Amino acid sequence: DIVLTQSPGTLSLSPGERATLSCRASQSVNSSYLAWYQQKPGQAPRLLIHATSRRASGIPDRFSGRGSGTDFILTISRLEPEDFALYYCQQFGNSPLCSFGPGTKLEIK
Amino acid sequence: VQLQESGPGLVKPSQTLSLTCTVSGGAINSGGYYWNWIRQHPGKGLEWIGYIYYSGRTYYNPSLKSRVSISMDTSKNQFSLKLDSVTVADTAVYYCASRVGGGSGSFPAWGQGTLVTVSS
Repeated sequence: DIVLTQSPGTLSLSPGERATLSCRASQSVNSSYLAWYQQKPGQAPRLLIHATSRRASGIPDRFSGRGSGTDFILTISRLEPEDFALYYCQQFGNSPLCSFGPGTKLEIK
Repeated sequence: VQLQESGPGLVKPSQTLSLTCTVSGGAINSGGYYWNWIRQHPGKGLEWIGYIYYSGRTYYNPSLKSRVSISMDTSKNQFSLKLDSVTVADTAVYYCASRVGGGSGSFPAWGQGTLVTVSS
């Protein structure tokens, strides 16, 4: 089975700074099938990015994604107070068909 | 599309967990959608459980396949999850989510989630 690893586990930054979150897969992921989600306490995950770099509907352009193969990056160009949350990457297609990374917690420094 | 989970919040060990997801904003069998269940153990990450396609075809996570069943009721515009022989390890928030066929394999729409606790 594919394993997704996210780093860092926790990222401490200040509003206005740039955040770079990493997602590494144990085997190659089709770039059409790599997504990122944001989750706040008590809420369901919200789709941010799909197909590696396509922003979902209503997502601000400070969120961007890139990558290929086994290495993918989510960048938040200038952090807003509402961006401090948990972030998950998700792959589709490799066994077990769909899986998520363990998450990166983005916290206020 | 909007989704809403419902079902018991407490299940005894060895019993069957049963949840329903009610879909609004579109017909569940209108074509092209995969209807999924995903769970999140307390304080942990997300685990995909399985899906039912609008045609009725199902696919489950191999790690849960022996205990899982997903079905749909088109007359009520609902789909359901059954998980047999539950243990405390099945305590989690359960989400239903939709995925568009032919898309990017991602989940743009989620229910708000329902906490199911397995305890005697």
